[in-house]
Amino acid sequence: ELKVEQNPLFLSMQEGKNYTIYCNYSTTSDRLYWYRQDPGKSLESLFVLLSNGAVKQEGRLMASLDTKARLSTLHITAAVHDLSATYFCAVSSGGGADGLTFGKGTHLIIQP
Amino acid sequence: NAGVTQTPKFRVLKTGQSMTLLCAQDMNHEYMYWYRQDPGMGLRLIHYSVGEGTTAKGEVPDGYNVSRLKKQNFLLGLESAAPSQTSVYFCASSYGWDTPYEQYFGPGTRLTVT
Repeated sequence: ELKVEQNPLFLSMQEGKNYTIYCNYSTTSDRLYWYRQDPGKSLESLFVLLSNGAVKQEGRLMASLDTKARLSTLHITAAVHDLSATYFCAVSSGGGADGLTFGKGTHLIIQP
Repeated sequence: NAGVTQTPKFRVLKTGQSMTLLCAQDMNHEYMYWYRQDPGMGLRLIHYSVGEGTTAKGEVPDGYNVSRLKKQNFLLGLESAAPSQTSVYFCASSYGWDTPYEQYFGPGTRLTVT
C-alpha cells in the first residue's frame, strides 16, 4: 500500500526566511506532484516530477525528487505573505491511471 | 474552455437521502477521478475511470457509486447518505499516459449530511 508522509504538517514562518517541506513515500512511484490549496478553494498544480534528480522552479518555489530515497522536497526561498497556503504532495504508481495518493498537507503561514 | 466543472457547489442532505454529483470536463481527457477531502486527512480517492464506460474503486469506495456513460462526464452517486459522508468532493481529470501529466481539479462540492 502506497503511503505518503509530509512534514511538517504546520509551519509558521516570517517573510524573507527560507524553509523546506519534506515528502516521503513508501513504494516505487513514477510521478510526484505538488499542489497548492488556498482556503475554500480547489487545488492548483505547482510541479510534476518524473525522474530521479528532477528539479523544477517557479518563482520562490523549487521542488526536487530523489527516487532512491523516496523523498521530494519543496523549498521556499525568501518567503512572502502571498505564499501562505496548504501545500500537498501526491504520488502515482500506475501512470496516473489509478489516481493519486496524497499526503496530509502542510499548512503554511507566512507572517509579515 | 471551462476546464473541470462540478455541480452542485453546495448541498445539504438528510441521512438516508440520495443525490448525484456531476463532473464535466471539456479537455477530452481519458482519465477522471473522484476524491473526498476531510480536515487533516488530505484527499482520498473514491472511484476513478480510465475511459468511457469504465470505472474502478479507489481507496474509500464504500457508500458511493459512479458512472461514466460519456467521456466528458463522471457522475458520483450517494444512494443513502450518512453523516460520515459530510466532506468536500473534488473531481479531477487528466489526459492519461501521455504528457502533460497534470491532474486538473474542479472547484469542489461541499456536502453536509445531517
